[in-house]
Amino acid sequence: AQTVTQSQPEMSVQEAETVTLSCTYDTSESDYYLFWYKQPPSRQMILVIRQEAYKQQNATENRFSVNFQKAAKSFSLKISDSQLGDAAMYFCAYRRKRDDKIIFGKGTRLHILP
Amino acid sequence: DVKVTQSSRYLVKRTGEKVFLECVQDMDHENMFWYRQDPGLGLRLIYFSYDVKMKEKGDIPEGYSVSREKKERFSLILESASTNQTSMYLCASSAGGGYQPQHFGDGTRLSIL
Repeated sequence: AQTVTQSQPEMSVQEAETVTLSCTYDTSESDYYLFWYKQPPSRQMILVIRQEAYKQQNATENRFSVNFQKAAKSFSLKISDSQLGDAAMYFCAYRRKRDDKIIFGKGTRLHILP
Repeated sequence: DVKVTQSSRYLVKRTGEKVFLECVQDMDHENMFWYRQDPGLGLRLIYFSYDVKMKEKGDIPEGYSVSREKKERFSLILESASTNQTSMYLCASSAGGGYQPQHFGDGTRLSIL
């Protein structure tokens, strides 16, 4: 069975600094998709970034980038120049290609220190 | 922009009641999902649906059922509510294809007394 593990339940970072959230997953599939979602306090969950497993190049979206290590089954999220609005719960998610079932990690709560 | 609307933001019900949570999406998405979110447990999939009148069990379907009579609407039903079903419930929808992201509603915080 597929699993997604986020080993850091909570993290803090100083405003303007860089922080990396870790995510590992377990699967026997070779083709799949990975996502990071953000859930700000009392607000809607939104997509931050996504990666297709067959693409070796790491995805980037402005200040957000990933370090995708397929062999290690690792998918970490790097946030550069952290801003107060980045404070949220971040969820890593895995979706296999052959169906649309998605599995979420337990989340990492990120605090931004002014 | 995709809009996923959940009928209630907060809901309080009593043990044994039959509870309906409604979700509507406006982007003609094929897929719809119901999750429950609990502290320390992340999001757990209850049920999902690939098409009208189709449903698949997720990881924790016990005590729940779903209905999808129209493409835009996906209802979660608690047949006989119990206190251990007190939780945040999130609805999501997505277009077909695994690379398509899920779009979430605001959530319904359900309390069973």
